[in-house]
This record gives sequence, C-alpha cells and structure tokens, in this order.
Amino acid sequence: GENVEQHPSTLSVQEGDSAVIKCTYSDSASNYFPWYKQELGKRPQLIIDIRSNVGEKKDQRIAVTLNKTAKHFSLHITETQPEDSAVYFCAASGGYQKVTFGTGTKLQVIP
Amino acid sequence: NAGVMQNPRHLVRRRGQEARLRCSPMKGHSHVYWYRQLPEEGLKFMVYLQKENIIDESGMPKERFSAEFPKEGPSILRIQQVVRGDSAAYFCASSPEQGRAFFGQGTRLTVV
Repeated sequence: GENVEQHPSTLSVQEGDSAVIKCTYSDSASNYFPWYKQELGKRPQLIIDIRSNVGEKKDQRIAVTLNKTAKHFSLHITETQPEDSAVYFCAASGGYQKVTFGTGTKLQVIP
Repeated sequence: NAGVMQNPRHLVRRRGQEARLRCSPMKGHSHVYWYRQLPEEGLKFMVYLQKENIIDESGMPKERFSAEFPKEGPSILRIQQVVRGDSAAYFCASSPEQGRAFFGQGTRLTVV
C-alpha cells in the first residue's frame, strides 16, 4: 500500500519568512495530493490540492509543487503570519484507494 | 450544502460499553473514510466505505470494531466493549469521488 513520509515534524519560522514542508510517497499509481491544515482541537481542513497532471499550483500565499518522477511534493507558504500556526498534513491517493496521510508538521510562526 | 456532520461531538463511555459514532457525508458524496487521532499525533486510517460496501478496512482492528455505510442513513463506526485505549478523536471524511475529502468536526470518545 501507499506510504507517505513528511518532513520536518516541527518547524519554527519568523513572521514574514517562508515555510516549506516536504513529502514523499511510495505508490506510483497515486495521482492526487491534498494538503490539510489542522488547528488545535479542530478538524483538518483542505487548503490546497494538486493532481498528477500538474507540476505546480498556487493560491495566494500557498503553493504546492509535485515531482512525479522523484515522488516528491511540497507545500510552500510565503509571508507567514501567526494565524498560519497549525499542524499541516500532506496526503496521497489514487484510484479507489484510501487517502493516506503523512505524519504531520507542526508549524509555529513567531511574531 | 451542509458539511460533513458527525455526532455526537463528545461521547463518554464506561469500559465494556458500546460506542456508536455517526457520520452523515456531504450531499452527493458517496465515499466515506474514518480516521482515528490521538492527541499530538497524526491521522490513522481505519476504514474506507462506499454505499453498502467496505472498500478497505485494513486499518481497523479485527475485533470489537465495525463500520457500515447503508444505502439510507449515516455511516456508523461501532466499537464494542470499549477499553481505555479506545479514547481518541474519531474523524469522518467524505468525498464525491477519489480524492478531495472533507472532514467532519470529529467525535471525541472518552472511556472511563
């Protein structure tokens, strides 16, 4: 089955700096890669996703890149703000497969 | 279009009792996933269902746990004879097709 690895597990950045979270996946059949943000005590919320026919996608301050050959995908947050502090999960799925999540990155944005 | 609805939000059970968690997917969504999350930890996959079918239950313990998604009504995650180790947040997510899953607010189960 699919295995998703996520790094780093914790990340502290100064407000205004950029944050990058990286994930790798194992199943070459995976073709859909969402990212979720989970604030303390709340549900995971979908913030951006990318499909395998696209290499990069951007939505305001967040962007995701995908390298299918290397089986890597990354989340980039620019101009970080304190409200970006949360746990971020990457995930992968393909066909009629479950959505497999990474282990999460706890992002702290220091004002 | 209401989001994914889970109830109850909080559930307290004594050891040995049964816990029944409900999930109503978003309108038009036929895929349901259940995940378990311990404090400060990630989302552990339990089971993936479509209407009347279990697609993947590889993450669900073989004993005491069961799940269903009937033709009519919500998806149910049932835990029989609960133990303290079952205490966790249980999240349900639904999607209209492969991918793009949206989560409910979760049920926080406490076993005393």
